[in-house]
This record gives sequence, C-alpha cells and structure tokens, in this order.
Amino acid sequence: QSVLTQPPSVSGAPGQRVTISCTGSSSNIGAGYDVHWYQQLPGTAPKLLIYGNSNRPSGVPDRFSGSKSGTSASLAISGLQAEDEADYYCQSYDSSLSGYVFGTGTKVTVL
Amino acid sequence: QVQLVQSGSELKKPGASVKVSCKASGYTFTSYAMNWVRQAPGQGLEWMGWINTNTGNPTYAQGFTGRFVFSLDTSVSTAYLQISSLKAEDTAVYYCARGGAPAMRKDWFDPWGQGTLVTVSS
Repeated sequence: QSVLTQPPSVSGAPGQRVTISCTGSSSNIGAGYDVHWYQQLPGTAPKLLIYGNSNRPSGVPDRFSGSKSGTSASLAISGLQAEDEADYYCQSYDSSLSGYVFGTGTKVTVL
Repeated sequence: QVQLVQSGSELKKPGASVKVSCKASGYTFTSYAMNWVRQAPGQGLEWMGWINTNTGNPTYAQGFTGRFVFSLDTSVSTAYLQISSLKAEDTAVYYCARGGAPAMRKDWFDPWGQGTLVTVSS
C-alpha cells in the first residue's frame, strides 16, 4: 500500500491538457521532500520525466511540467499526444518509513 | 552513455533462490547509490531498498528483510539482488535504478535497468 495517492486513470483528446495529482502527507511531500515523476510506456522500464518537483531532464519535451504545493504535487501534460499514453508515477521520500515511496500510479489514455 | 543492463528472465520453483545482476557502465560505479524496485504483474512500483556502492552497506525497505540480499562486485561494476526461499508472490519484474551521489533523501532514480522478470511457479 503506497503512501502517495494518484488517480487510477485520466484521459484526454489529442492536444488537450491533463493533470495528474499526487497526494501525500506531513511525513513525505508535506515535510518538504522533493517529488519526482516517471513515465512507464507499455512493456518498458520507467523513465525519469520530472525531478526536483519541476525540473525536466534533457530530452523531455516542455509539454511536461511539474509543481508542488503543501502535501501534494501535480504533473501536467499539455498538447496531449498519442505517444503520451503510458503509466505515470510520482516518487518522494517518507521520514516515517525511512525510505523512498512511489505513488499508486496513473494510466493516461489518449482518446 | 550511462546505462544499466540486467540479466535475463528467470523461471524458478517455489523454495529455490535467484540472483539478478545489474551491470553499470558510463559512470563511476562506486559514486552513486543503487536502488532496487519491484513491480508485480499489473501492479505499481515498490521500492525495495538500496545499497551503498562505496561501502557495500545495504538498506532494506519494510517487507524486504530476511529473504532479500543486495550485494556488489565493484571490479565489474555490477550490483546483485538475491532472493531466497522463493514464493509465488515473488513473481514480478525487478528493476535496478541509479540513485544519488551520495544517496540523499531528495534523490530521484535515473537511469533504470531494463528489468528482469522472475517467475515463481511449480
């Protein structure tokens, strides 16, 4: 059971903007720990998408953006494309568990 | 380029052991933490723990103590995950993923290995 909660699924038409929430608590996101996001395309390993709440690694399109506020974080995908259809996971550190934690995961479907 | 390459799929019987390897290249192996992550079929990602590649000291997440062992062979820049007394519920894809240099609470994981499917079935 994950301590970071995400919606199971979100969907949107090509070109639309979708957002994925990642809700934590005072022992993880609310404690000030950074949030990172990963994209997992079908049948492949996760890939780093956003690090340090809002930073994009080299090669990640600027359609992807991240933010954090209080005990939650969000990933936004603007100009949704068919290739964005994947599972997305948030990740942070939890002081109560003394370890890293992942979100429950969100499946993005492009209609 | 920085890369992690894992060993191939394994099919094991209940009660057996398995050892998964993760070979690093493109960076100084002993400078970065190495993490292990499990993904059961159709499920999400679960952090198993990490190993300090400089000292060899492992840290295991809750639920991954006892049967799970992280180890290293720094001479070949390779990390290992060994699971003993395998159970059907250990069936999953296991990933290695590079952490920080040195490991810190703010760390993210990048890159990831391609994953190793371990199937436990009689």
